[in-house]
Amino acid sequence: QSALTQPASVSGSPGQSITISCTGTSNDVGGYKYVSWYQQHPGKAPKLMIYDVNNRPSGVSSRFSGSKSGNTASLTISGLQAEDEADYFCSSYTSTTARVVFGGGTKLTVL
Amino acid sequence: EVQLLESGGGLVQPGGSLRISCAASGFTFSSSVMSWVRQAPGKGLEWVSVISASGGNKYYADAVKGRFTISRDASKNTLYLQMSSLRVEDTAVYYCAKGDYDFWSGYGHWGQGTLVIVSS
Repeated sequence: QSALTQPASVSGSPGQSITISCTGTSNDVGGYKYVSWYQQHPGKAPKLMIYDVNNRPSGVSSRFSGSKSGNTASLTISGLQAEDEADYFCSSYTSTTARVVFGGGTKLTVL
Repeated sequence: EVQLLESGGGLVQPGGSLRISCAASGFTFSSSVMSWVRQAPGKGLEWVSVISASGGNKYYADAVKGRFTISRDASKNTLYLQMSSLRVEDTAVYYCAKGDYDFWSGYGHWGQGTLVIVSS
């Protein structure tokens, strides 16, 4: 069982917006800015999409945005495109063990 | 261009040891936080370890603490993960990742991974 909770799957049609949640505790997501989101296509290495809750690395589309409320972080993808179909993982620093923890991952299907 | 190239993976028996490497290029290795993240077949990502730019600070996941050792060689621009007392559950693709922001922030660059299989 992962330390951070994500929905197993989400889906949306091209052009729509979807949001993936990542729920933790005050010892991780709720207590620190160190929340990141990764995209992973089958057989490929993960790609950083969001870091420190709501920052986009250079080169990442502005269609991807991050936010946090209490102990839950969210990744929103607007204007869904077929290429967005992938697995998405959140991660956070946790003070419980001074480590990084990942969510179990969410499979995004573009209908 | 940042490049991270893992090597050294393979088949090892339970209880055995293995050292995997990550050759870095395209950036100032000695100034960068580096980490190992693994992914068991068909499973999610699992953080393994992180080392500071100087090598003076190291942190490990509870699942590997006491069995794995992370290290770096600035003269060779190479990151290592020495794994001992390997277990079947350590079977995974091991990714090398570069920290691009704060110590505990996200990893902006990843290698292609090296597969470690622990089996008799």
